[in-house]
Amino acid sequence: EAQVTQNPRYLITVTGKKLTVTCSQNMNHEYMSWYRQDPGLGLRQIYYSMNVEVTDKGDVPEGYKVSRKEKRNFPLILESPSPNQTSLYFCATRTRAVPRSYEQYFGPGTRLTVT
Amino acid sequence: DQQVKQNSPSLSVQEGRISILNCDYTNSMFDYFLWYKKYPAEGPTFLISISSIKDKNEDGRFTVFLNKSAKHLSLHIVPSQPGDSAVYFCAASEEETSGSRLTFGEGTQLTVNP
Repeated sequence: EAQVTQNPRYLITVTGKKLTVTCSQNMNHEYMSWYRQDPGLGLRQIYYSMNVEVTDKGDVPEGYKVSRKEKRNFPLILESPSPNQTSLYFCATRTRAVPRSYEQYFGPGTRLTVT
Repeated sequence: DQQVKQNSPSLSVQEGRISILNCDYTNSMFDYFLWYKKYPAEGPTFLISISSIKDKNEDGRFTVFLNKSAKHLSLHIVPSQPGDSAVYFCAASEEETSGSRLTFGEGTQLTVNP
């Protein structure tokens, strides 16, 4: 079954304690991306990766890091989380093999609370 | 600077009637548009898309209309069903970025009443 998995699904942490949210896909997709969803703001892109070892900033990259060492994994790292990073996070993937097909497949989301 | 706007936070319709969700954009470089549906506790799922070379795309009960001159797109659902109750997001992309950047609207909560 084609899927995008995220772990953990829920996380409550404290300010400054480093954390990693993992994202894994089994569709062999080249492109992966992270979004955060906040009320009244929709989904905003944090970082994306067009392929292994290639990453780039989205619209709201401050306070986040990513890495793409393997095609299937794209972890989101918060080195020093702050309360304004409390949000619902989604990982998404898509294939680049189909020209002008920009449909992205989303994971189930990770609800992060930073106190 | 919200480049994609969905001005209606919520919409309520009766089962069997038409649902019309609207989306406006400001960036004239956007040339590909998508609609996503999101249920609670799940990730968004792709619904339908349209390229700027078209003004209409249809898939079953779902039709997306694009008015480039007005920078406006709409999603029509006919007939609406209770299972369509969800948050709907429109999104836009530029071919120049190879679809790497998706800009989303705020979302519209659709409620279809039995």
